[in-house]
Amino acid sequence: EAQVTQNPRYLITVTGKKLTVTCSQNMNHEYMSWYRQDPGLGLRQIYYSMNVEVTDKGDVPEGYKVSRKEKRNFPLILESPSPNQTSLYFCASSFGQGGRGYTFGSGTRLTVV
Amino acid sequence: QKEVEQNSGPLSVPEGAIASLNCTYSDRGSQSFFWYRQYSGKSPELIMSIYSNGDKEDGRFTAQLNKASQYVSLLIRDSQPSDSATYLCAVKGSNDYKLSFGAGTTVTVRA
Repeated sequence: EAQVTQNPRYLITVTGKKLTVTCSQNMNHEYMSWYRQDPGLGLRQIYYSMNVEVTDKGDVPEGYKVSRKEKRNFPLILESPSPNQTSLYFCASSFGQGGRGYTFGSGTRLTVV
Repeated sequence: QKEVEQNSGPLSVPEGAIASLNCTYSDRGSQSFFWYRQYSGKSPELIMSIYSNGDKEDGRFTAQLNKASQYVSLLIRDSQPSDSATYLCAVKGSNDYKLSFGAGTTVTVRA
């Protein structure tokens, strides 16, 4: 089944404790992206990657890191999480330049206390 | 000005009625437009894409695009309780790979 897999689905952590949210897709998509979703603010892009070793900042990159060492994987790293990073996170992927829309992962609900 | 704006809702319609959702966008060069449906606590699911002016129909859904007015809409005919969800308008910009999303319109279909 074609899908984008995120882990974990739920995570509660403490301020300052480094964490990684994994994302993997099995559709050989070139483009991958991370979004966060907050009430009233919609989906905001954090980082994106156009292919292996090519990444760039989205609209809200502060406090996040990414890497794209393999085409299928695009982990999101929070080096020192803070409570304002409590949110629902989605990984998404698409062919080429995204002209056919994205396929989203099932989401990760992160709470930082 | 936000890149993509949607009527804020919430929108409540009786079962069997037409739900009408609106979206405007700021990038005049945008070429790709999408509607996603998102159930509470779930991920967005692509339900419609439209690329040229006019109407595109898929089952009970019709997307309408007017590039001159920078406007895209979604009609849901014969609304069912299972259509109760938040609908996200997404627009792909002319100069990059990013999809910009509106904040969403929550639709409730009353049985």
